[in-house]
Amino acid sequence: KAGVTQTPRYLIKTRGQQVTLSCSPISGHRSVSWYQQTPGQGLQFLFEYFSETQRNKGNFPGRFSGRQFSNSRSEMNVSTLELGDSALYLCASNLAGGYEQYFGPGTRLTVT
Amino acid sequence: KNEVEQSPQNLTAQEGEFITINCSYSVGISALHWLQQHPGGGIVSLFMLSSGKKKHGRLIATINIQEKHSSLHITASHPRDSAVYICAVWETSGSRLTFGEGTQLTVNP
Repeated sequence: KAGVTQTPRYLIKTRGQQVTLSCSPISGHRSVSWYQQTPGQGLQFLFEYFSETQRNKGNFPGRFSGRQFSNSRSEMNVSTLELGDSALYLCASNLAGGYEQYFGPGTRLTVT
Repeated sequence: KNEVEQSPQNLTAQEGEFITINCSYSVGISALHWLQQHPGGGIVSLFMLSSGKKKHGRLIATINIQEKHSSLHITASHPRDSAVYICAVWETSGSRLTFGEGTQLTVNP
């Protein structure tokens, strides 16, 4: 079974631009969670989607948004990028919203 | 104070040594994860615990729910064990993962 995939793997954007990151969960998994990892703040929960509905949200400004499609693939969007948004963005999936988390390789975003 | 505290932050060992990484948490939890992150960023879930002890190869994880404490042990450490080890808890109140700051482990040959 293929693992969680994320695209793109690396991205460089300029302040003020917007970016969309994609996550394809393991086949059959319906829950997708997104996390941000920075050197200063460590790993932080962004949001979780289950069956196309946002079920949980972390403490991030409204510039961070996401969605999930009927095939469980998920996208997250960051608008009006700031330098502090430079981070590794990880997604993780599980079968039905339980406690297991299968992580993708991450997308490394650099904002200049 | 962080809800999840790990110690030590950095650990250097010689190949073959027994290693212990500790995790203390201050919130009610449904489960606890030990994660491994290699340079390049990919994260692998090593264990998920809600009670007792689990063993996988040279790795052992224990949890004491009453004391709100978990440990990850590596027996006969090897240079390929060099990575960041992260403790993360599923909070019962928030239904989300909260992470410790990680322990950077370096095992020298």
